[in-house]
Amino acid sequence: DTAVSQTPKYLVTQMGNDKSIKCEQNLGHDTMYWYKQDSKKFLKIMFSYNNKELIINETVPNRFSPKSPDKAHLNLHINSLELGDSAVYFCASSHGRVNTEAFFGQGTRLTVV
Amino acid sequence: AQSVTQLDSHVSVSEGTPVLLRCNYSSSYSPSLFWYVQHPNKGLQLLLKYTSAATLVKGINGFEAEFKKSETSFHLTKPSAHMSDAAEYFCVVIAKNTGNQFYFGTGTSLTVIP
Repeated sequence: DTAVSQTPKYLVTQMGNDKSIKCEQNLGHDTMYWYKQDSKKFLKIMFSYNNKELIINETVPNRFSPKSPDKAHLNLHINSLELGDSAVYFCASSHGRVNTEAFFGQGTRLTVV
Repeated sequence: AQSVTQLDSHVSVSEGTPVLLRCNYSSSYSPSLFWYVQHPNKGLQLLLKYTSAATLVKGINGFEAEFKKSETSFHLTKPSAHMSDAAEYFCVVIAKNTGNQFYFGTGTSLTVIP
């Protein structure tokens, strides 16, 4: 009964390919996030959705497109993968109210070769 | 604007000695602050949170943190380090005015020496 689950856990792919990472939460939260963690462990917000609507869209290349089919899912699709996209991507969810913590998935380690 | 600064990128302590991981925050509003831990190749786990209630917050695994508004600090402490505490620790502030975005510090890597 994992709270926030991401698939796949590891993803190795060639430059130029298109790939997707899926995220699902069973906590009943209304807000979901995608974070990117670089090789220096720095975590940076990419996107945030509240009730399936995009509310945060940081400076991220257009090749990254989030999709939220419902409140429990937030998938990340990446087109034309580049070497610099290699990182660990974390999905998270929260109630969307201030004062509440976010729950994180286990991460997806993306390696572009 | 909201931000957190973790003052040490690496901290090394001997097993059984106290742990202090420092965090200073900047917030235009009354902040909510969190400490998360990330063990190698794992996800992020919440250690503790401050949400404008008691200023001394107790978390899991014997960790605690004190919110000091006058010093804009939220340092994480533990009286006695255990080998299993070796991990990356992140101080996080939440921004009410930007869609509840979580701002992460750059992390502090804790090494525990046997």
